[in-house]
Amino acid sequence: SQQGEEDPQALSIQEGENATMNCSYKTSINNLQWYRQNSGRGLVHLILIRSNEREKHSGRLRVTLDTSKKSSSLLITASRAADTASYFCATGADSNYQLIWGAGTKLIIKP
Amino acid sequence: DVKVTQSSRYLVKRTGEKVFLECVQDMDHENMFWYRQDPGLGLRLIYFSYDVKMKEKGDIPEGYSVSREKKERFSLILESASTNQTSMYLCASTRLAGSQGEQFFGPGTRLTVL
Repeated sequence: SQQGEEDPQALSIQEGENATMNCSYKTSINNLQWYRQNSGRGLVHLILIRSNEREKHSGRLRVTLDTSKKSSSLLITASRAADTASYFCATGADSNYQLIWGAGTKLIIKP
Repeated sequence: DVKVTQSSRYLVKRTGEKVFLECVQDMDHENMFWYRQDPGLGLRLIYFSYDVKMKEKGDIPEGYSVSREKKERFSLILESASTNQTSMYLCASTRLAGSQGEQFFGPGTRLTVL
């Protein structure tokens, strides 16, 4: 059951620019997480934001959460070639044992 | 450094073969998961386990079974491989209940069934 939907599906920007990806979901959540996947490899956790939080930062990453709109955004500032990857959002709920995943945004950073 | 390892990065099998995918974690996590990942579909949960010898079906368990005899090891079994099981298989583990915290992933096994 897919809940998160990322937007856009693909994004191509110049190195140094900021990249913004969005995630929408359908039901109440306890937390929302962002993961990164490079070149068909395993996923790496980036950041977790709880439903009572509105914004969270980690290095060049900024995540916002708007529970009234059931949406989240991931901002990567001053992008680098190494940020080229697919980014996935996943939502967790108290009523559900598993994370529910979106289909991902493919980000390409052009040198 | 915490780690989840998977037995193979690439695997090629024939239709009808029995396939074993192994996953080992060294973080003493109670919860382990098997996902398959296909383009445009994100991650879909096949099975998960919250304790030794315990297993629960995920969203797409048909054609798969699992085994968890030891806390650190979670195996995915394709009883009779079919071409529609060609996919990337990802194993993950987490200390907290599956929906509540960060999941740690292995590098994945890309399985091709001919």
